[in-house]
Amino acid sequence: NAGVTQTPKFRILKIGQSMTLQCAQDMNHNYMYWYRQDPGMGLKLIYYSVGAGITDKGEVPNGYNVSRSTTEDFPLRLELAAPSQTSVYFCASRYTTGFDGEQYFGPGTRLTVT
Amino acid sequence: SQKIEQNSEALNIQEGKTATLTCNYTNYSPAYLQWYRQDPGRGPVFLLLIRENEKEKRKERLKVTFDTTLKQSLFHITASQPADSATYLCARGDDMRFGAGTRLTVKP
Repeated sequence: NAGVTQTPKFRILKIGQSMTLQCAQDMNHNYMYWYRQDPGMGLKLIYYSVGAGITDKGEVPNGYNVSRSTTEDFPLRLELAAPSQTSVYFCASRYTTGFDGEQYFGPGTRLTVT
Repeated sequence: SQKIEQNSEALNIQEGKTATLTCNYTNYSPAYLQWYRQDPGRGPVFLLLIRENEKEKRKERLKVTFDTTLKQSLFHITASQPADSATYLCARGDDMRFGAGTRLTVKP
């Protein structure tokens, strides 16, 4: 199993540009998550999905969009990038039928908006 | 608002001592709490999960407690080693919201 994979590893965007951060998992997990982590800070939940076709907002969804057309993939779209979106983005997945189930994280995407 | 807080940004201890990290939650009683380790430049890695009806959970040198009266979870690393140096994060299992983390440094 590859686990959770994220692409790209690094990206520099100009203000106003758009991009999609890719996330895939091969563990057949039902839940998937996107977080951002600013330097020296904890993880902030952007969006999450409880299954294909279902997504919901987390703590900091503004400026982002997601889709979940398959169980495996959960891309994060940034429209009109702003310097405030400079951060490290982590995708995670877990299998749960209730509220248990550990999360598996990808290696992260380091994004700089200038 | 529902918060999950880790009081200490950083904790420095001597090798061999027990490290104790604190996670507090407010206005909400999670059914589960999870603890993760994060090394610089890497994604978090799961360590332990504790349910609200469990008072204590152990795994090797790690121990987690869950006190629903105090609304607090304690994470202990006994016989700490320099290799334990990392940031430790707690999370509400119900909605996977994380605290800010505590950066632990174990000095030889």
